[in-house]
Amino acid sequence: GENVEQHPSTLSVQEGDSAVIKCTYSDSASNYFPWYKQELGKGPQLIIDIRSNVGEKKDQRIAVTLNKTAKHFSLHITETQPEDSAVYFCAASPSAYNTNAGKSTFGDGTTLTVKP
Amino acid sequence: NAGVMQNPRHLVRRRGQEARLRCSPMKGHSHVYWYRQLPEEGLKFMVYLQKENIIDESGMPKERFSAEFPKEGPSILRIQQVVRGDSAAYFCASSRGQGAADTQYFGPGTRLTVL
Repeated sequence: GENVEQHPSTLSVQEGDSAVIKCTYSDSASNYFPWYKQELGKGPQLIIDIRSNVGEKKDQRIAVTLNKTAKHFSLHITETQPEDSAVYFCAASPSAYNTNAGKSTFGDGTTLTVKP
Repeated sequence: NAGVMQNPRHLVRRRGQEARLRCSPMKGHSHVYWYRQLPEEGLKFMVYLQKENIIDESGMPKERFSAEFPKEGPSILRIQQVVRGDSAAYFCASSRGQGAADTQYFGPGTRLTVL
């Protein structure tokens, strides 16, 4: 089955700096890679996603890159703000036509702290 | 447009009791997923359902846990004879299309505490 590893587990940056979180996956059949932000006591909220036919995607201060050959993808947050502090999860999902189509595999999360 | 709704938000049960967790997907979504999150851990897939069908239950413990998504009404995750190790946050997600390759939107979760 799929195995997703996420690093680092904790990340502390100064306000205005950039933050980078990296994930690797094992199953070459995975082709959808969402990132979620989870604030304390709340459910995960999708912040950006990327599919295997795209190498990079950007949405304002957030960007995601994907290297299918190396099986890794990364989340980049620029100009960090204190409200970016949360736990971030990456996930890898197989094609909708795969027999494991229902199973998203999540990384263990990165706790990001942005210091004012 | 209401998001994914879960209730109750907090549930306390004594060992041996039953826990029933409800999930109403977003409007227009017919695919539901249940995940469990232990304290300071990631989300672990439990089960994927469409209306009246279980598509993938490979992450569900074989005993005491069951899930359904009837034609009418919310999806239900049922835990019988709860034990302390069942204490966790249980999240439901829904999607419009088939499988996890379609974007999943999460509910706020149900936090189960077993005394």
